[in-house]
Amino acid sequence: SQQGEEDPQALSIQEGENATMNCSYKTSINNLQWYRQNSGRGLVHLILIRSNEREKHSGRLRVTLDTSKKSSSLLITASRAADTASYFCATEDNFGNEKLTFGTGTRLTIIP
Amino acid sequence: DAMVIQNPRYQVTQFGKPVTLSCSQTLNHNVMYWYQQKSSQAPKLLFHYYDKDFNNEADTPDNFQSRRPNTSFCFLDIRSPGLGDAAMYLCATSREGGEPQHFGDGTRLSIL
Repeated sequence: SQQGEEDPQALSIQEGENATMNCSYKTSINNLQWYRQNSGRGLVHLILIRSNEREKHSGRLRVTLDTSKKSSSLLITASRAADTASYFCATEDNFGNEKLTFGTGTRLTIIP
Repeated sequence: DAMVIQNPRYQVTQFGKPVTLSCSQTLNHNVMYWYQQKSSQAPKLLFHYYDKDFNNEADTPDNFQSRRPNTSFCFLDIRSPGLGDAAMYLCATSREGGEPQHFGDGTRLSIL
């Protein structure tokens, strides 16, 4: 399977704490993306990091990419109850096949 | 607002009775994707269109078909639904392959 793995599968933290999720993948990539999915809804794109980038920020989100280890992390700082959701990483490989390969996801629960 | 719309949100059908799910987009994106997502799992790509070019995933059952009559609309046809086809079906679009995808809120399909 080409599917990426995410770690941990589930994470519960207190509101205000930081949450870190990790993603590992298997192929060479053009970019890696992170998505959020609230229960019963579609996925929402959060951030894209290209293979030649090592770190990217967007508001309370910080993403790192280590292509030598084929891994990425998503850090959410100062978590809020509204951050409760599942988070998926997705990779675009460099085979030119127009699609993303999604990871297995991390279920994040923020405890008020 | 530009968006991806899926109808209906909930669909119930009988075992073996054909069903069609629909997706429309106002983003004028080139690529449209259909995913199947089962509980607590990652979205699984069934197929995608780049413009009118259809791309089927190798492990998508023959029971699943798709049509894209124009840029805005894409349909998922399940010819003879089985109990194992009960899932959330997500439609997504992207301007080009590998770029961020915009998801609809999905159709939850139940099989009686």
